[in-house]
Amino acid sequence: NAGVTQTPKFQVLKTGQSMTLQCAQDMNHEYMSWYRQDPGMGLRLIHYSVGAGITDQGEVPNGYNVSRSTTEDFPLRLLSAAPSQTSVYFCASSYSGLAVAKNIQYFGAGTRLSVL
Amino acid sequence: GENVEQHPSTLSVQEGDSAVIKCTYSDSASNYFPWYKQELGKRPQLIIDIRSNVGEKKDQRIAVTLNKTAKHFSLHITETQPEDSAVYFCAASIRSGGSYIPTFGRGTSLIVHP
Repeated sequence: NAGVTQTPKFQVLKTGQSMTLQCAQDMNHEYMSWYRQDPGMGLRLIHYSVGAGITDQGEVPNGYNVSRSTTEDFPLRLLSAAPSQTSVYFCASSYSGLAVAKNIQYFGAGTRLSVL
Repeated sequence: GENVEQHPSTLSVQEGDSAVIKCTYSDSASNYFPWYKQELGKRPQLIIDIRSNVGEKKDQRIAVTLNKTAKHFSLHITETQPEDSAVYFCAASIRSGGSYIPTFGRGTSLIVHP
């Protein structure tokens, strides 16, 4: 049981490049989400999904796309990277976005992204 | 205002002292309140949680209290140790459409001086 797996761990991009951050979980969790963490700003929600085929925007969605074709995978796409997207990105999953009592978040190890 | 507010942003204590971190939330329907600890360079991990039908919960040196009427909850760490140094996040599940979305406070950086 690997939990939540994120790849890559580190990435350097040039402005304007695109890339996809991968996230996979093997716990059969319905709810998955992406956060970015910047100094002093805590964990800000980018996008989330309450199940396969369903995605929605969080607090800071601009510049990012997501899709959820399977329960296990929730990739985050940067369409045209900008220096403002330099951050640490965490993927998280939980049992359900509906059953509040089981909403413990399990985080991946994070991806440290630098955009030059 | 923010859905979940957390104070203070930084807390510095001497080893052995107690530390208290406070959070307030906006959604009266919220009924699950976890706390996460993030050590330097690591991922956030759950350390304790409380549900709205409980006023207080303890686990060794850490405890969480909840006041649903006032919509605030607190993390208490007693007999702090240097290994307690980390960033702590509170969270509450905020309604968004038909879902409850975990919403985090901005975090508290706890520094325990030996």
